[in-house]
Amino acid sequence: DQQVKQNSPSLSVQEGRISILNCDYTNSMFDYFLWYKKYPAEGPTFLISISSIKDKNEDGRFTVFLNKSAKHLSLHIVPSQPGDSAVYFCAASARYGGSQGNLIFGKGTKLSVKP
Amino acid sequence: DGGITQSPKYLFRKEGQNVTLSCEQNLNHDAMYWYRQDPGQGLRLIYYSQIVNDFQKGDIAEGYSVSREKKESFPLTVTSAQKNPTAFYLCASSQNRVYGYTFGSGTRLTVV
Repeated sequence: DQQVKQNSPSLSVQEGRISILNCDYTNSMFDYFLWYKKYPAEGPTFLISISSIKDKNEDGRFTVFLNKSAKHLSLHIVPSQPGDSAVYFCAASARYGGSQGNLIFGKGTKLSVKP
Repeated sequence: DGGITQSPKYLFRKEGQNVTLSCEQNLNHDAMYWYRQDPGQGLRLIYYSQIVNDFQKGDIAEGYSVSREKKESFPLTVTSAQKNPTAFYLCASSQNRVYGYTFGSGTRLTVV
């Protein structure tokens, strides 16, 4: 059973507009969430993270929102740029539990930003 | 420069052969991980190691083996028992969960 779900396999937006990538989770023990960006044939790179004690974290054009009651987080990219075109993975970890703090990844959302 | 190195970038294997993928890190991270990426499947955990001389199976360990004799190294062997070995393999390391994982650039394995 998937504990981290990214229900949109792909997303296409126009350059300059906002990109919103969504992620849902089922494990209430998760208390730390991260977003990774991945280009083809490369390893994922860390983008932004958020702890469960917060509901928002910003870093430049990237903002992550966390709604704990809905077990939902989203990544906002404003403004979107063609170089943002990549696969974005949502990941979560729990301080306690059998996963020993390991990251659990969603299946990813492929973002295409059109000029 | 600290980082994590995977080699080779591309690897071809004949059916029935074992092959070993290299992963080395100089970040002084305690934990290391192996993931497999297939189209539409995201990142699936094969094996992980939290400390030297200890490792644990992930979600899809069948047909794979690992060793962790040194902190810097975590090689993955894809054995002939792995039914569908053609995939993109990613190695990662981590110091603690707050900082997430640092990934290598990956190895594309193709069975011919």
